[in-house]
Parts: sequence; C-alpha cells; structure tokens
Amino acid sequence: KAGVTQTPRYLIKTRGQQVTLSCSPISGHRSVSWYQQTPGQGLQFLFEYFSETQRNKGNFPGRFSGRQFSNSRSEMNVSTLELGDSALYLCASSPGGETQYFGPGTRLLVL
Amino acid sequence: GENVEQHPSTLSVQEGDSAVIKCTYSDSASNYFPWYKQELGKRPQLIIDIRSNVGEKKDQRIAVTLNKTAKHFSLHITETQPEDSAVYFCAASIGGATNKLIFGTGTLLAVQP
Repeated sequence: KAGVTQTPRYLIKTRGQQVTLSCSPISGHRSVSWYQQTPGQGLQFLFEYFSETQRNKGNFPGRFSGRQFSNSRSEMNVSTLELGDSALYLCASSPGGETQYFGPGTRLLVL
Repeated sequence: GENVEQHPSTLSVQEGDSAVIKCTYSDSASNYFPWYKQELGKRPQLIIDIRSNVGEKKDQRIAVTLNKTAKHFSLHITETQPEDSAVYFCAASIGGATNKLIFGTGTLLAVQP
C-alpha cells in the first residue's frame, strides 16, 4: 500500500496570511491526526479526525482548524499566520485504533 | 497537565553495546505507548508499541517494558548498529483516547562504529 502523503512539502508564507495543508492517508485508514513539530516544543498534537468528525483536539488556538473528507483525506488550515507557526506539520493515519503512521510532513516557514 | 518526560536527551554508545531510553508519563488513563524513530529530515517511524495490559514486548533487537504502577516505560536496543543512530521519541495516549498522543522530548542516539 502507498504510504501517507502530504502536500505541499514546503511552503513559505508571510505573517497574517493563511495556509491550507493536505494529507492523504493510507488506503483504508479512516483516522487522520495532525501534529506540529518544532525544535523548541517537540511534537505536539493538534487534532484527530475520524469519519469526517473531529474526535480529539489538542491545546492550540482556534486559528488552527481542520476537516476530513468522505475519502478520508484531510486538510488543516492555519489563519492569520504568526512567526511562531513556522514548523514541520505532520499528519498520521491510522485504521481507527492506535497505530499511527506518519507522512513526510509539510515544512512551513512564516516570514 | 499531562506530560511525558524522556531521558536522556542524548546518548552515545559504541557499536554492539545496548542503549536504554526511559520515559515517565503523568496521565493514569494512558493505555497505549508507542516508540518512534526519526532520522534527520525524515518522518517519524513506529518501531514498537505496547499496550497497558502487557508488561513487556520484544521485536528482534528492540524491546519495551512498561511499569503501570510507576507510570514508567523504557526502550531497550541491544547490539546497536550505526544505522540505529537517530532521534527516538516515546509517546503516551491521553485520557484513554489512543489516537491522541503526547510525545516525549526525544533522545538523540549516536552509535559510534
């Protein structure tokens, strides 16, 4: 099976803009989780979607949002970008239970 | 709040030696504990996981032990090889939600040939 894919792989934005990142899970996986990875804060959970519904949520501001489509593909959106949003954004897919498989990530740089 | 502490932050061993990484978690409802390996510039890869009803799990040179009473779990790598060099992350599920993970801060393992 093909692995988790994320697009775009790299992105440069300026403060105040918004950005949409996409994640395609492994075929048959219904759960998609999103994480932010930074050198200072490490890997932090953003949210998880299962069957088009947000099932779990981390402690990020409302500027971070997501959605999942009927084919399990997921998008996350960050509005009003701040310099501190520069990070590697990883999504992970799971059949619905525990084991999560990560995508290659989208590296976002906010200038 | 919930957190996972991971030690050491860096670990250097000689090829063939064993390496041990330790994690402590705070949420008593945590019931799933995966370990990920992340090489430079690559995605985290699941190497082993353990559930709360099991005390130990082994997969070739890798083993994980869990002590629920102490809220402590460890990764053991035996006969280390240079290709084991990477950053290792432990994680624990939060509030019984197995798809919501809190990660440790990572251990940079360097295996010297």
